[in-house]
Amino acid sequence: GENVEQHPSTLSVQEGDSAVIKCTYSDSASNYFPWYKQELGKGPQLIIDIRSNVGEKKDQRIAVTLNKTAKHFSLHITETQPEDSAVYFCAASKAAGNKLTFGGGTRVLVKP
Amino acid sequence: NAGVTQTPKFRVLKTGQSMTLLCAQDMNHEYMYWYRQDPGMGLRLIHYSVGEGTTAKGEVPDGYNVSRLKKQNFLLGLESAAPSQTSVYFCASSTQGSYNSPLHFGNGTRLTVT
Repeated sequence: GENVEQHPSTLSVQEGDSAVIKCTYSDSASNYFPWYKQELGKGPQLIIDIRSNVGEKKDQRIAVTLNKTAKHFSLHITETQPEDSAVYFCAASKAAGNKLTFGGGTRVLVKP
Repeated sequence: NAGVTQTPKFRVLKTGQSMTLLCAQDMNHEYMYWYRQDPGMGLRLIHYSVGEGTTAKGEVPDGYNVSRLKKQNFLLGLESAAPSQTSVYFCASSTQGSYNSPLHFGNGTRLTVT
C-alpha cells in the first residue's frame, strides 16, 4: 500500500519567515495530495490540496508544489504568523478506493 | 451548525472493558470514517462507511467494530480494550469519497486503556 513520509517532524520559525514541509509518497498511482492543519485540541482541517495534473497551487500565503517524477510534494507558508502554529499533515490518495494515507505530521511553532 | 460531533471527549478504560464511541454529523454526508492518531504516525484509517447500512475495513481494523444504522451516525466499538488501543480517535465525514471531497473532522476522543 501507499506510504507517506513527512519531514521535518518539528519546525520552529521566526514570525515573518517562511516555512517549508516536505512529503514523499511511494505509490505512483496516487494523484491527489491534500494538506490538513490541526490546531490544539481540534480535528484536522483541509487548507489546500493539489491534483497530479497541476504542478503548483497557491492560496494567499500558502502554496503547494508537486513533483510527480520524484514522488514528492511540499507545503510552503510565507510571512508566517503566530496563528500558523499548528500540526500540519500531508496525505496522498488515488482515484480507486476511499483511502487517504497521511504523513506523520509536522509541528510548526512560529515565534513572535 | 455543529458539523461533526464526537462523544465522549475523554475516556479511561481498564484492559478487557468494552465501550462505544459515537460520531454524529449534521451535514447529510454520505461517507464517514474513523481514524486513530498516534504520535509520529499521522492518522490511520480504522473503518469507513460509504453510506447508511454499509461499512468497510481500513488500514488498522483489528480489535474494532463499527455500525452505520443511520446516515448521520457512525459508531466505533471496542469489544475488549487493550493498552495498544490508547490513542486519540477522530471521526470524519465527506460528501463523496476522500479522493473527491474534503474530510470534515470532529474534535476527537482521547482514550486511555490501563
